[in-house]
Amino acid sequence: AQTVTQSQPEMSVQEAETVTLSCTYDTSESDYYLFWYKQPPSRQMILVIRQEAYKQQNATENRFSVNFQKAAKSFSLKISDSQLGDAAMYFCAYRSRITDSWGKLQFGAGTQVVVTP
Amino acid sequence: GAVVSQHPSRVICKSGTSVKIECRSLDFQATTMFWYRQFPKKSLMLMATSNEGSKATYEQGVEKDKFLINHASLTLSTLTVTSAHPEDSSFYICSASDPGAKNIQYFGAGTRLSVL
Repeated sequence: AQTVTQSQPEMSVQEAETVTLSCTYDTSESDYYLFWYKQPPSRQMILVIRQEAYKQQNATENRFSVNFQKAAKSFSLKISDSQLGDAAMYFCAYRSRITDSWGKLQFGAGTQVVVTP
Repeated sequence: GAVVSQHPSRVICKSGTSVKIECRSLDFQATTMFWYRQFPKKSLMLMATSNEGSKATYEQGVEKDKFLINHASLTLSTLTVTSAHPEDSSFYICSASDPGAKNIQYFGAGTRLSVL
């Protein structure tokens, strides 16, 4: 079974600064998706960014970008120009494209991002 | 992204009663929906996978007779907590896979269940 590890329970960043969240995963598969979801205090899960394993280019969505290192099984999220609205719990998630066609996600434990003015 | 509606957002019930939570995909047809439970400051724990027109697949340790799931249409799945007890108090979240978007999961806003 695949496991997803987020080793940082909490990260603090000042407004306008950059923060990087780490995520590593364990899998023997070669074809999969990786995601970052954000859960603000409202507890609504919001998709931030996704990466397909067969794509070498790192995904980018506005101020959010990832550093996908397939060989190292690492998938970090960089938040640039941090804003107060970025304060949330961030979850890294893995989804197999081989063993699960339904789209079942394996989540990490989450990293709480605190943004200070 | 796609919209998933979850209702109610909050419910308080007496011990021994049953509670139904609805999950609807509003702008896409979802053959697969998921039900999660989340404890405070913890990650999401998958309870079951709900497929339209067939029985749900429950994760290990989840009582299927306690948590009844029905996925009667391509846009609606329901979770019924039967004979609820205080230990069932939790935050329940549903999600739906959008087949038109490579089965990306979109989430409902969650339901906070409090059992007195």
